[in-house]
Amino acid sequence: AQSVTQLGSHVSVSEGALVLLRCNYSSSVPPYLFWYVQYPNQGLQLLLKYTTGATLVKGINGFEAEFKKSETSFHLTKPSAHMSDAAEYFCAVRGETSGSRLTFGEGTQLTVNP
Amino acid sequence: GAGVSQSPRYKVAKRGQDVALRCDPISGHVSLFWYQQALGQGPEFLTYFQNEAQLDKSGLPSDRFFAERPEGSVSTLKIQRTQQEDSAVYLCASSLRTGTSGANVLTFGAGSRLTVL
Repeated sequence: AQSVTQLGSHVSVSEGALVLLRCNYSSSVPPYLFWYVQYPNQGLQLLLKYTTGATLVKGINGFEAEFKKSETSFHLTKPSAHMSDAAEYFCAVRGETSGSRLTFGEGTQLTVNP
Repeated sequence: GAGVSQSPRYKVAKRGQDVALRCDPISGHVSLFWYQQALGQGPEFLTYFQNEAQLDKSGLPSDRFFAERPEGSVSTLKIQRTQQEDSAVYLCASSLRTGTSGANVLTFGAGSRLTVL
């Protein structure tokens, strides 16, 4: 069984400040991990994913995430927030096969203040 | 098409009505998933197709929910006798199946927002 916990349903930062969105997962098998972003009235857009190899993963729009197996974490960061980053962010875990479902966390709403 | 297309984007139904939601995946994508996203929540898995075969329907909340993909491309999610708790955004996603890897990325449509009055 897989599950995802996102700490903090709402995060507020100032423009230019560090963004840190927390994600912890549980998985009985080596997981594949994803971060998606959702803008209002739109579908989910992939930010980045971890499969194998390098544990620091870079994604679009300046975001990156680090897979830490010992901490079962996959936190999302961005050094400097932009107003356009305001959106809902979802962490998700998926099992080994192509038929495996994505299991999502409950999401973190990011607000960026001018 | 270039992306996953869903229709209608918005649907208002009276309680007890039947609704049908359509998903047109990216051409050539073998795997197709349906998710339900309640307000303020993360998406929840409903069902999975590989081509025309429905391989996992364990997430369907009741026998009022039915999904099909008869020719392995377009899929329809049908909800019979809608209830207020069915109000949600229904998301469709598709992916290529290269090998058996769960690393394949799911591409999501914009969703169909269902409101049951």
